[in-house]
Amino acid sequence: DTAVSQTPKYLVTQMGNDKSIKCEQNLGHDTMYWYKQDSKKFLKIMFSYNNKELIINETVPNRFSPKSPDKAHLNLHINSLELGDSAVYFCASSQDKRMLRNTEAFFGQGTRLTVV
Amino acid sequence: RKEVEQDPGPFNVPEGATVAFNCTYSNSASQSFFWYRQDCRKEPKLLMSVYSSGNEDGRFTAQLNRASQYISLLIRDSKLSDSATYLCVVNYGGSQGNLIFGKGTKLSVKP
Repeated sequence: DTAVSQTPKYLVTQMGNDKSIKCEQNLGHDTMYWYKQDSKKFLKIMFSYNNKELIINETVPNRFSPKSPDKAHLNLHINSLELGDSAVYFCASSQDKRMLRNTEAFFGQGTRLTVV
Repeated sequence: RKEVEQDPGPFNVPEGATVAFNCTYSNSASQSFFWYRQDCRKEPKLLMSVYSSGNEDGRFTAQLNRASQYISLLIRDSKLSDSATYLCVVNYGGSQGNLIFGKGTKLSVKP
């Protein structure tokens, strides 16, 4: 069983469209995250979500919104897609929201988004 | 100054070689430290946590120097399967925690 699963794996869409990426974890973790990995391979935190507490990276445009129907799911919705949104988006989860040592973050396989 | 900086790489080494990666971090309040491994077109996976006293896991040794804000990873007897990108990761702690990733160092082990 996949611990953290994302769908779709690939997403090609036109500028201006609205799209969603789904993420589910079956690890019973309390905290989930969304990361963006750009063309330069730099992984940056977008959101972390724990017990309905959302922490947003201030650099993330408000076109991006996470939605969590329950503890095991954190979906990412993107409005009005732009060319610069093309990247790989990774969902992750961890047991300890403070990410102390010995705490591992488990990542999904990533969603490769291409905006044309 | 970037929050977590790593050797630019790529490192191209023969099988059996010993290779060392370095990493510096800017926030002295950082609380925990990790090395993650990312294979091409795959997700990052935890390689090992880094403890203040240094720690070893088989062929891999991690060191932390809090005074210099410096982390290292040593790989002995490199295998072809070690080829990947190695990400230095720092957690600044706080109520939520936040993993800050370095850009990674690409390692290519050749026969």
